[in-house]
Amino acid sequence: SQQGEEDPQALSIQEGENATMNCSYKTSINNLQWYRQNSGRGLVHLILIRSNEREKHSGRLRVTLDTSKKSSSLLITASRAADTASYFCATEGGSYIPTFGRGTSLIVHP
Amino acid sequence: NAGVMQNPRHLVRRRGQEARLRCSPMKGHSHVYWYRQLPEEGLKFMVYLQKENIIDESGMPKERFSAEFPKEGPSILRIQQVVRGDSAAYFCASSPLVRGGEKLFFGSGTQLSVL
Repeated sequence: SQQGEEDPQALSIQEGENATMNCSYKTSINNLQWYRQNSGRGLVHLILIRSNEREKHSGRLRVTLDTSKKSSSLLITASRAADTASYFCATEGGSYIPTFGRGTSLIVHP
Repeated sequence: NAGVMQNPRHLVRRRGQEARLRCSPMKGHSHVYWYRQLPEEGLKFMVYLQKENIIDESGMPKERFSAEFPKEGPSILRIQQVVRGDSAAYFCASSPLVRGGEKLFFGSGTQLSVL
């Protein structure tokens, strides 16, 4: 079974708007990562947040983690058409095996 | 420094044939993960290997599927007697070591189609 579940499944916005994706998980984790996948390609790592952290930033990306609610969010600010992709959260517990959700499909219209 | 290389990119097999998927990790990486992705779904973990060792194969079907990562050469995911339900994209990822929170580097995947 999948650990993380992203919400929404699909998101369509205009260039310049912000995009927010959420990830919920069931069991305790050591860290959570976000990946991006362009159509027909492999995943690319975006950002890691550890269980003792609440917020991380990387360029236009902002990730939050709320371990009490077992949820994380990924915010992409000032989106661009090139941000169009699927975004996945991956949780990692004690097994060091990242477990992926179903992803959020983001479309940014120019 | 080349990334994770997977081949073939596309593989077509008839039911009952064997499929062999290859993955060369990034230089210096000794840990390999295989994932399977069905359309509109996330990646499902199959197997985690280190050189010459299978560390965790809890996501791999017990029958027809096997994986190896020899001392020399690429990691191989082997599917015997393929069925239509094996049609999917298979991704390999590598990392230099495992201590928690290591990011994975993914290949572009092998799209397996079973006729």
